[in-house]
Amino acid sequence: DGGITQSPKYLFRKEGQNVTLSCEQNLNHDAMYWYRQDPGQGLRLIYYSQIVNDFQKGDIAEGYSVSREKKESFPLTVTSAQKNPTAFYLCASSILTANQPQHFGDGTRLSIL
Amino acid sequence: GQQLNQSPQSMFIQEGEDVSMNCTSSSIFNTWLWYKQDPGEGPVLLIALYKAGELTSNGRLTAQFGITRKDSFLNISASIPSDVGIYFCAGQIGGGTSYGKLTFGQGTILTVHP
Repeated sequence: DGGITQSPKYLFRKEGQNVTLSCEQNLNHDAMYWYRQDPGQGLRLIYYSQIVNDFQKGDIAEGYSVSREKKESFPLTVTSAQKNPTAFYLCASSILTANQPQHFGDGTRLSIL
Repeated sequence: GQQLNQSPQSMFIQEGEDVSMNCTSSSIFNTWLWYKQDPGEGPVLLIALYKAGELTSNGRLTAQFGITRKDSFLNISASIPSDVGIYFCAGQIGGGTSYGKLTFGQGTILTVHP
């Protein structure tokens, strides 16, 4: 089935550790996005990529890093510089033509031990 | 970044009642989207609106793209228990490096009592 796969579903991080969240899509979408969701808030954009080997910072990029080496994959690394990493992380993708909606994966919940 | 004001923040209704929620913005958007999110899952697209004044239905859901392009409304008729979840509006400007980027509202938490 076509879709967006995020893994793992749950992730635990120790203080000072970097962790990487996986996002893979087989929809042949050009653009991919990472969002952070906190309780009672909407989705906030961390990073996005419109093409392989290129990406742009979103509204809350500090403490995060990404790569886009393949069209299908857009991993997100939560670094030790992110002081409040506990959140629900959502990956999305879209066709990069006019006004095409984004489609989301099922998310990864990151918690600090 | 831009902000979307979504209201109400939460709703508690009886099964069978109709529901209305809306989003407003200080900026113009070219596309309005409505998503629903179930607990622990990603948002699922419900309705996409592409033209000012457009009124679109998807089963019991109806959404409208405001004439000013600064607001949108979602109505749910005859609610059922599976309508429970968080509903998000999202606006898209499009163009240049902003192509594809969405701005989300804070969400409306819907609870339906049987």
